[in-house]
Amino acid sequence: DIQMTQSPSSLSASVGDRVTITCRASQAISNYLAWFQQKPGKVPKLLIYEVSNLQWGVPSRFSGSGSGTDFALTISDLQPEDVATYYCQKYHFASPFGPGTRVDLK
Amino acid sequence: EEHLEESGGGLVKPGGSLRLSCAASGFTFSDAWMSWVRQAPGKGLEWVGHIKSKIDGGTTEHAAPVKGRFTISRDDSKDTLYLQMNNLKPEDTALYFCTTLPWHPNVDAWGQGTMVTVSS
Repeated sequence: DIQMTQSPSSLSASVGDRVTITCRASQAISNYLAWFQQKPGKVPKLLIYEVSNLQWGVPSRFSGSGSGTDFALTISDLQPEDVATYYCQKYHFASPFGPGTRVDLK
Repeated sequence: EEHLEESGGGLVKPGGSLRLSCAASGFTFSDAWMSWVRQAPGKGLEWVGHIKSKIDGGTTEHAAPVKGRFTISRDDSKDTLYLQMNNLKPEDTALYFCTTLPWHPNVDAWGQGTMVTVSS
């Protein structure tokens, strides 16, 4: 089975910083890669689907990129409301999530 | 507006069974691929499995930790998704969600979850 990993597991950044979270698959996957944001006590929210497509209503400071085994979520201008845990998910046949990256403010 | 509501969770002893339901409204359920996702207390998201729409074959995929014990099914006449869970283990304790995501970004629906606790 394909495994998904994420790095870092957590990070602290300042408002306005550019933040990048990486997601790696244990073998090459198709472009069915999504990113979710989850805030404490809330259900996950879809940010990005098919690697780089921004879900409607999601601020344009979020972007996705990558191919093959290596993918990234970038927040270009970190805002206080972006404090959350972020998960990647491969979705095609088996659809595992990555372990998550917790983003906090410095 | 799309809406999903899970039910059927509760406290069950190890080795026991439960059937979770997910009632859908506000979208064409029969066209939707549906997923079950769980989250143990304080832990990350874990994909449990998914089922395709009948027009796409209606087949299922289940995660390795639940394969052979859990079965996903659907009743399109009732707009309802099911998760039959047998031989439950303490490590199955989690909040169980149903969702249309990430299959259908234009049908952005995620239930509030139903809690399953496996304990003697």
